[in-house]
Amino acid sequence: DTGVSQDPRHKITKRGQNVTFRCDPISEHNRLYWYRQTLGQGPEFLTYFQNEAQLEKSRLLSDRFSAERPKGSFSTLEIQRTEQGDSAMYLCASSFRGTSEQFFGPGTRLTVL
Amino acid sequence: KQEVTQIPAALSVPEGENLVLNCSFTDSAIYNLQWFRQDPGKGLTSLLLIQSSQREQTSGRLNASLDKSSGRSTLYIAASQPGDSATYLCAALEASGGSNYKLTFGKGTLLTVNP
Repeated sequence: DTGVSQDPRHKITKRGQNVTFRCDPISEHNRLYWYRQTLGQGPEFLTYFQNEAQLEKSRLLSDRFSAERPKGSFSTLEIQRTEQGDSAMYLCASSFRGTSEQFFGPGTRLTVL
Repeated sequence: KQEVTQIPAALSVPEGENLVLNCSFTDSAIYNLQWFRQDPGKGLTSLLLIQSSQREQTSGRLNASLDKSSGRSTLYIAASQPGDSATYLCAALEASGGSNYKLTFGKGTLLTVNP
């Protein structure tokens, strides 16, 4: 399968713990995006990478959140000191610069107890 | 700030019916508009993408139209099937100089097609 992959698919954690999610984009896609989706809402933009450079961060991304994309390949999203309000589906997408069509992964469902 | 609205929030139809889902956006300066399908607990599947210079796109039983000046898009589904049951999301891509990257989504329309 050559689509966007995310790991893990589900994560349950206790409040205050740190969690890290991984996203592998479609091969040769140089743009990578993170979105967050809560129940009954559409996804909301979090951050965007072009190659290894993080070019934009939403105000939704508090200082407890950090994202990286070393060497312009896979990306990680880390949440420190998780709160119950962080419970959501975290979606990753990628696109090729020439088309702007974004392709989404299956998401990571985070539950903070 | 771009805002995207989808009407109706939920729709239930009998199998075989043709239907229209509506999407409106407040800022007409968009680069493109994408329609997605989302099954419960799953990620998003891209259905159709309409560039800002286009009026419509078709794929199988799906047809999407775009009217930038009025800030509206519609997704037409012909001869609906139970397998079409899902949430349908539209998203507008901002036209921001050369860095078009941010999708703004509506809340979606939950479609149920009854056998």
